[in-house]
Amino acid sequence: EVQLQESGPGLVKPSQSLSLTCSVTGYSITSNYWGWIRKFPGNKMEWMGYISYSGSTSYNPSLKSRISITRDTSKNQFFLQLNSVTTEDTATYYCARSLNWELCFDYWGQGVMVTVSS
Amino acid sequence: DTVLTQSPALAVSPGERVTISCRASESVSTLMHWYQQKPGQQPTLLIYLASNLESGVPARFSGSGSGTDFTLTIDPVEADDTATYYCQQSWNDPPTFGGGTKLELK
Repeated sequence: EVQLQESGPGLVKPSQSLSLTCSVTGYSITSNYWGWIRKFPGNKMEWMGYISYSGSTSYNPSLKSRISITRDTSKNQFFLQLNSVTTEDTATYYCARSLNWELCFDYWGQGVMVTVSS
Repeated sequence: DTVLTQSPALAVSPGERVTISCRASESVSTLMHWYQQKPGQQPTLLIYLASNLESGVPARFSGSGSGTDFTLTIDPVEADDTATYYCQQSWNDPPTFGGGTKLELK
């Protein structure tokens, strides 16, 4: 069974970088598409970006200057880095899998809540 | 970005039929997907590509639509269906989500 698990600090200071890890079991990240999605307080959801089976990436233009998604295929993990965070980046962050370019997410991690505060 | 508009909330009685709508600000073809999210849990995929039932999802759930108007139908509604339902489009870049419809049972 495909399982995804996010990990990382729950508190980040403004202007610092947010770094999260998604550990995947039961499926290789060298197949399909692996994305990050966040849900803000108040329930708005935002697609942040993905890394594909080949290592190519695509990002939401609203984040393009601050975001980086990378991977470690030997550990079957992929990573989110979001730079220069503000309080508006406070959200629950999810990693998820899409079978293909249609970016329909069939497996999700449980999510990790990240608060940006001094 | 493509804006997806959903009604904020609905209240129905168990056994009834409920339709949840999602209207897109521009055509998304049939690349519309529906998720259910219960409090404290991650979203789960219900319907993909507008009308395809995800494996393991009860046949009480169905989806329809194309272009700009889409519907998720639950028939009949059960108590366990209390949740927030989100639509998501992936035809236009970037993919976007609707604001969610909170379904409550009377």
